[in-house]
Amino acid sequence: GAGVSQSPSNKVTEKGKDVELRCDPISGHTALYWYRQSLGQGLEFLIYFQGNSAPDKSGLPSDRFSAERTGGSVSTLTIQRTQQEDSAVYLCASSYLRGGGSQEQFFGPGTRLTVL
Amino acid sequence: KNQVEQSPQSLIILEGKNCTLQCNYTVSPFSNLRWYKQDTGRGPVSLTIMTFSENTKSNGRYTATLDADTKQSSLHITASQLSDSASYICVVSAGSNYQLIWGAGTKLIIKP
Repeated sequence: GAGVSQSPSNKVTEKGKDVELRCDPISGHTALYWYRQSLGQGLEFLIYFQGNSAPDKSGLPSDRFSAERTGGSVSTLTIQRTQQEDSAVYLCASSYLRGGGSQEQFFGPGTRLTVL
Repeated sequence: KNQVEQSPQSLIILEGKNCTLQCNYTVSPFSNLRWYKQDTGRGPVSLTIMTFSENTKSNGRYTATLDADTKQSSLHITASQLSDSASYICVVSAGSNYQLIWGAGTKLIIKP
């Protein structure tokens, strides 16, 4: 029944390694968002998927970041050649329709990424 | 530049007391304003969503107000409980842009 799930819950990696973060949205939700939350900061938008439309990647901080959404459901956020400044909590959210009006976004618990 | 500022940064109150959290925004055009509660280690959960025409909305012991003229919002918590300890985040949606402008949050601690 479930809400949005994310895995892993915690990831520790060494600088320069690649990581993959997974998000399972609520079934039937057409929109999926990735955010990054650094300590003491507001959420930072990364990328948005809506149905079969091309994703909005305008929030990705560098070309080391990429994301895909397979079959309109599960999404994977990939960070290549990780840097220490990538350390943050990565949150995924989904909503039924395009979330700009009143459509509520439902969040997963996040993945805490630590780059040593 | 679109910004959302919240105050105080943190707040400690005793269980049973009331408190009010503030949010000022400079976002244009304005679509709606949301308050989220984020427990430690969890994702944010929506408390209220208000459009331009709404100036107050309640959700149990939580009451949000919106003054679109002064671009201010507040979240009032009545008869606080230990479970209210969390970060409270003010978020503003700009026009048709689905990208939300997030405040840094107010960290609220309720002490017994």
